[in-house]
Amino acid sequence: QKEVEQNSGPLSVPEGAIASLNCTYSDRGSQSFFWYRQYSGKSPELIMSIYSNGDKEDGRFTAQLNKASQYVSLLIRDSQPSDSATYLCAVNTGFQKLVFGTGTRLLVSP
Amino acid sequence: GAVVSQHPSWVICKSGTSVKIECRSLDFQATTMFWYRQFPKQSLMLMATSNEGSKATYEQGVEKDKFLINHASLTLSTLTVTSAHPEDSSFYICSARDLVLDEQFFGPGTRLTVL
Repeated sequence: QKEVEQNSGPLSVPEGAIASLNCTYSDRGSQSFFWYRQYSGKSPELIMSIYSNGDKEDGRFTAQLNKASQYVSLLIRDSQPSDSATYLCAVNTGFQKLVFGTGTRLLVSP
Repeated sequence: GAVVSQHPSWVICKSGTSVKIECRSLDFQATTMFWYRQFPKQSLMLMATSNEGSKATYEQGVEKDKFLINHASLTLSTLTVTSAHPEDSSFYICSARDLVLDEQFFGPGTRLTVL
């Protein structure tokens, strides 16, 4: 079983809609969780971090964490074509390094 | 967020030569840096964890004698691809861990092409 799982997509949403990206992880001891955005040919860019259960909002982005169910999600409100990218979920299991999911490709159509 | 730089951004070399890639944390100290490799349309693959002042920890299947890592200061780690071959052509990305923020920031990556 993969440690961090994401649906590879593509997830297609129209411009202005809410995009919902999900991630599950296997290690119950995981402490911190991150969402990165990666445009094609570029390196990942950190967009959100979350450490405790509940929601964390930053502009159009909301990260949600449920440790009991071992899932993390990212909501993007008012999606824009410029949001089209691959979104990587990453989990810190306590050994310094992050474990990444394979990413979900998001396509926002005008 | 914190800034991590990489140099060079791209490099083309002949088979058999060695290539050095630098990774610098510009506005924070990074006791730990990470080196990743990414092939086209594939996910990030962690190659090694670099700790300042100590030997790097390599992931399973990564040849430590081929991919030499040096983390001589709190702001600089280098990856040297020795005797590069065409199959080493890839996108190499470093990241640095900001202890204060407990977040990891990526450099812009280095695209290596071995002819």
